[in-house]
Amino acid sequence: EPEVTQTPSHQVTQMGQEVILRCVPISNHLYFYWYRQILGQKVEFLVSFYNNEISEKSEIFDDQFSVERPDGSNFTLKIRSTKLEDSAMYFCASRDRQNTDTQYFGPGTRLTVL
Amino acid sequence: QKEVEQNSGPLSVPEGAIASLNCTYSDRGSQSFFWYRQYSGKSPELIMSIYSNGDKEDGRFTAQLNKASQYVSLLIRDSQPSDSATYLCAVREGSYIPTFGRGTSLIVHP
Repeated sequence: EPEVTQTPSHQVTQMGQEVILRCVPISNHLYFYWYRQILGQKVEFLVSFYNNEISEKSEIFDDQFSVERPDGSNFTLKIRSTKLEDSAMYFCASRDRQNTDTQYFGPGTRLTVL
Repeated sequence: QKEVEQNSGPLSVPEGAIASLNCTYSDRGSQSFFWYRQYSGKSPELIMSIYSNGDKEDGRFTAQLNKASQYVSLLIRDSQPSDSATYLCAVREGSYIPTFGRGTSLIVHP
């Protein structure tokens, strides 16, 4: 069964460093999402992406965040200058077509900022 | 600010019992309602979606929606230890972006 994959599974970085989290959505899906979940907190929406551009973003998704689909398969989230409070699980999700609600989540990347 | 409220639990039930998980939401314009299961350290997994008032059954799971009361619930029949997880309620209004609750921790003890 097709699935969303994410790498790395765990990323440790120093405060102020840049990180890139990578996702490979399900191949025929058109809509892509990033969420984060701080330990013990709710899952929070960051950004959605369709047709090579951001379609929606939350207040969390400020100038230090960016997303890119550099080729036909990868979908990346870049955090330019990490802060301690960026430590969280980051989930990528994808959805196949317009009139379906189902988003398929990847296994997540645990980001630890020291 | 859209709010989705859940009792954090833990809800502890014996194996074979019915587990009842509840969720309220603030936005009356909400159209779609979801229950996700999340094991510790893992990603959310969609188990049920419901769109209209009433009950929707899928195997051992039943989702119940009452839009007038802004209330959605999940019943798990014949609970198994493998059902032990955090159950996330999520609600969607216009866009395809769900708002999640904090989740209810369910413990099914043998």
